[in-house]
Amino acid sequence: EDKVVQSPLSLVVHEGDTVTLNCSYEVTNFRSLLWYKQEKKAPTFLFMLTSSGIEKKSGRLSSILDKKELFSILNITATQTGDSAVYLCAALTRRDDKIIFGKGTRLHILP
Amino acid sequence: EPEVTQTPSHQVTQMGQEVILRCVPISNHLYFYWYRQILGQKVEFLVSFYNNEISEKSEIFDDQFSVERPDGSNFTLKIRSTKLEDSAMYFCASSEEAGGAYGYTFGSGTRLTVV
Repeated sequence: EDKVVQSPLSLVVHEGDTVTLNCSYEVTNFRSLLWYKQEKKAPTFLFMLTSSGIEKKSGRLSSILDKKELFSILNITATQTGDSAVYLCAALTRRDDKIIFGKGTRLHILP
Repeated sequence: EPEVTQTPSHQVTQMGQEVILRCVPISNHLYFYWYRQILGQKVEFLVSFYNNEISEKSEIFDDQFSVERPDGSNFTLKIRSTKLEDSAMYFCASSEEAGGAYGYTFGSGTRLTVV
């Protein structure tokens, strides 16, 4: 059965800290790994990672995929209270008809 | 920036009633999806739709569920006879191509509460 596992499930840090969120996957016909940020309602797209070892960056956020170890991390540096959200990792299959989500990491940034 | 629009934002319905959740995908997108998220749980795939037919559906998407693209802009999810366990946030998503070069674009969701 395809699965995506995220850790930790919950994380509380102080503003300015750096955090690393983990995602492992076991998915047949894997194509890409997606990261989303979910605040109040809809997940908003952060990154899509298809190739191993290539870091993607967007401001203070960065992510990398290891297709050999079936693993991805999402880093957030110099965290701000606005980073508080649930971060969802998802695997996109080659069949392209669905993505499989992990349960998410709930990140809370204390001022 | 183009967005996926869902209506209503919140619907409360009695068990056994039919509900229709509405979505307007991004206009040039060809692939449409419904996902749901039960409170406190993970986002789950329901169904994908392309070229006016279902491409794939999950085990959750049983005979009580149906989807339709009644015109060129709307994409609807119908639940024929709602159950308490159908209470969840329902997300519509669309993508320009299969899999979506930039992931999918999600709507802001409809919170369905079955009482």
